[in-house]
Amino acid sequence: GAGVSQSPSNKVTEKGKDVELRCDPISGHTALYWYRQSLGQGLEFLIYFQGNSAPDKSGLPSDRFSAERTGGSVSTLTIQRTQQEDSAVYLCASSLGGQPVYEQYFGPGTRLTVT
Amino acid sequence: AQSVTQLGSHVSVSEGALVLLRCNYSSSVPPYLFWYVQYPNQGLQLLLKYTSAATLVKGINGFEAEFKKSETSFHLTKPSAHMSDAAEYFCAVSSGSGNTGKLIFGQGTTLQVKP
Repeated sequence: GAGVSQSPSNKVTEKGKDVELRCDPISGHTALYWYRQSLGQGLEFLIYFQGNSAPDKSGLPSDRFSAERTGGSVSTLTIQRTQQEDSAVYLCASSLGGQPVYEQYFGPGTRLTVT
Repeated sequence: AQSVTQLGSHVSVSEGALVLLRCNYSSSVPPYLFWYVQYPNQGLQLLLKYTSAATLVKGINGFEAEFKKSETSFHLTKPSAHMSDAAEYFCAVSSGSGNTGKLIFGQGTTLQVKP
């Protein structure tokens, strides 16, 4: 079956612009995670959605970052007024449930470059 | 707070030699532990996970890891390296508290396999 897909695969934007990154999870997966992979910080958790529960936003680095998940499926990560330090690969993962016993399946990521 | 330390950002072995990638964790609650592999320009793939069952965990591609509570370690091993094992490997921990499987990753270890 289809895995987790992310779009775009690459995004180059100018400093100060807003960007939207999209994640399509595996059908039927109720949990969705966003992570960021950068040279300086490694792999960091950003935000987590589980069903209709309030999202866990504890990993978002600033209020310029936000995310939503519509209809319990597709998720969009929005970065406002992008800065050069936002350059990274943004990874999305989904799983059958929110507990760690459920394997997280990762998408290929979106590489964001802020110039 | 949970954390993961991977000893050695780069490990080089000869083809056919033992692979040993080191991971130590810190957790105030019984942890769930994971090893992921990332091939160039791809997302993360789960190799194996420890979820408080058997302390010796077998994963895909001939890898295994042993959970040692007394040493707070979860080292990854493979008896005989193959060229296709060259990749970046991440150790991760999750507490499972709050019904979330969010992962805390180590900094990663790049495995080089020499012919």
